Amino acid sequence: EIVMTQSPATLSVSPGERATLSCRASQSVSSNLAWYQQKPGQPPRLLIYGASTRATGIPARFSGSGSGTDFTLTISSLQSEDFAVYYCQQYDDWPPRYTFGQGTKLEIK
Amino acid sequence: QVLLVESGGGVVQPGRSLRLSCAASGFTFSNYGMHWVRQAPGKGLEWVAIISYDGSNKYYADSVKGRFTISRDTSKNMLYLQMNSLQPEDTAVYYCAKSYSAYDELDSWGQGTLVTVSS
Repeated sequence: EIVMTQSPATLSVSPGERATLSCRASQSVSSNLAWYQQKPGQPPRLLIYGASTRATGIPARFSGSGSGTDFTLTISSLQSEDFAVYYCQQYDDWPPRYTFGQGTKLEIK
Repeated sequence: QVLLVESGGGVVQPGRSLRLSCAASGFTFSNYGMHWVRQAPGKGLEWVAIISYDGSNKYYADSVKGRFTISRDTSKNMLYLQMNSLQPEDTAVYYCAKSYSAYDELDSWGQGTLVTVSS
């Protein structure tokens, strides 16, 4: 099983500042990596797929990068609605055994 | 727009069974892989199972293999999760989700249904 490790577990950032979230895979997942945002009481929402492609309707302040084992989600200028939990997920494994990271909670500083 | 609505959750005793349903609309259901993903209270996301667009291929997380069965009825635009031999650690919100195409990212999610396994 491919293990996904996110860091940090909690990130405190002020509105308007940049946030950088990391995700590491235990083995290469190529670019088969997605990022999701989840707010309390809501289902996850797809932000980024293919490691760097924004999903439909996702603002340009969200960007993804990386390939292989190391990935980054960057939020360039934090808005109040961005404070949430973020998960990375790989979909490279075969047969399919999708795995999520444990999540990074982005909180207001 | 894509709409996924789960139902069938509730409180069940350990060792018993439960079947979850997910009603899909707003897209051509028969063209896409579909997933179940769960989230224990206060915890992260755990992928549970995927079924291919035509129902011919099914894959499961090790934690549920042999106990859970994913299925679909294309004529009704319905996704199901039959859960047998339920244990307290299966307590979670269960989400159905749509694949972007086949075996890739999950681009649409339902609101979830809560399953509580407790005596």
